[in-house]
Amino acid sequence: DMKVTQMPRYLIKRMGENVLLECGQDMSHETMYWYRQDPGLGLQLIYISYDVDSNSEGDIPKGYRVSRKKREHFSLILDSAKTNQTSVYFCASSLGGFANSDYTFGSGTRLLVI
Amino acid sequence: GDQVEQSPSALSLHEGTSSALRCNFTTTTRSVQWFRQNSRGSLINLFYLASGTKENGRLKSAFDSKELYSTLHIRDAQLEDSGTYFCAAEDSGYNKLTFGKGTVLLVSP
Repeated sequence: DMKVTQMPRYLIKRMGENVLLECGQDMSHETMYWYRQDPGLGLQLIYISYDVDSNSEGDIPKGYRVSRKKREHFSLILDSAKTNQTSVYFCASSLGGFANSDYTFGSGTRLLVI
Repeated sequence: GDQVEQSPSALSLHEGTSSALRCNFTTTTRSVQWFRQNSRGSLINLFYLASGTKENGRLKSAFDSKELYSTLHIRDAQLEDSGTYFCAAEDSGYNKLTFGKGTVLLVSP
């Protein structure tokens, strides 16, 4: 069963703490993504990774960084979390390149920064 | 303005009725994808279209890349169709998926 797995599902952190969100996929997809979803704003793209160590900023990268050391794993890191980073974070993957491929999303990580 | 404009923002249907959701794009779009977000927050893939139309049960989607729009038709709406529907446009160069703000659909008896 091909899927994107996100861990953890729920997370509570204090302001200023570091946060690590993990994502894995078992489809050998080249391209992976991190989005955040906030009420009334839909999903906004934080970072794209085109392959191992080939990452690009999305629309709202400020306050985030990413790491992709293996094709199947893509991590989102918040150094010194802020309360406005409370959100639902979604990871996704796709074949990438010029392949006609749909995007597969994980179930999301609900992060609360207090 | 937004690259992906989704309408309506909210929709109420009675069971058994039909309606359509629409997305307008302001730039050239390579493909469109439609999702339904359920009550648990999971994004469920409905359709991926690079062109033309696709149908799956009571759902049908069309994508006109030249006229820059896509539609999602829901026929004979059922209670379980309730949720938030998103369309997302893939740009032509960077595999970037840009989402609309969603349509909240409520199907009532």
